Amino acid sequence: NAGVTQTPKFQVLKTGQSMTLQCAQDMNHNSMYWYRQDPGMGLRLIYYSASEGTTDKGEVPNGYNVSRLNKREFSLRLESAAPSQTSVYFCASSERGPPYGYTFGSGTRLTVV
Amino acid sequence: GESVGLHLPTLSVQEGDNSIINCAYSNSASDYFIWYKQESGKGPQFIIDIRSNMDKRQGQRVTVLLNKTVKHLSLQIAATQPGDSAVYFCAENEGFQKLVFGTGTRLLVSP
Repeated sequence: NAGVTQTPKFQVLKTGQSMTLQCAQDMNHNSMYWYRQDPGMGLRLIYYSASEGTTDKGEVPNGYNVSRLNKREFSLRLESAAPSQTSVYFCASSERGPPYGYTFGSGTRLTVV
Repeated sequence: GESVGLHLPTLSVQEGDNSIINCAYSNSASDYFIWYKQESGKGPQFIIDIRSNMDKRQGQRVTVLLNKTVKHLSLQIAATQPGDSAVYFCAENEGFQKLVFGTGTRLLVSP
């Protein structure tokens, strides 16, 4: 099925560990995004890639890095995980960003202990 | 598993009723608005969108109303069904690649 695929679905890390969240889309979209979702808050943009070869910071980029590996893939890396990064992470893609709609993946639930 | 907070505004309706979910947006320059539905344990799913040069748009069983004077957006769901139970988010486009999401409203539909 066409869409956005995120891996892993669940992850538990110890403080200070690193990991990479993977995201791939098969809709030939130009733009890709990483959001985090915390209780009582809306989705907050971490980083985005408007097109292959570009990445930009969003609202909450501290503690994260991203790589737009190719047009299909956009990864999010936590170099040294902190408990404050416990969250649900969503990747999304869009043909070109607003006003084109976004398609979201099913999320990665990350717990940092 | 639950993916959003425990203290979201909640709208409880009976099956078959019409539901109205409201959203206040912040930026008068926003030119595009979207409603998303998020079921437990899943990612947000597009429902309907509207541009700022419109005040109403209809889809299948859903209608979005935009009142730019008071910066208010609403989602109307006709003949609400149990499958409509979810958290609903509005989002506004504040600029280039800057889609900002609200905190959401939980809709509970009783059979």
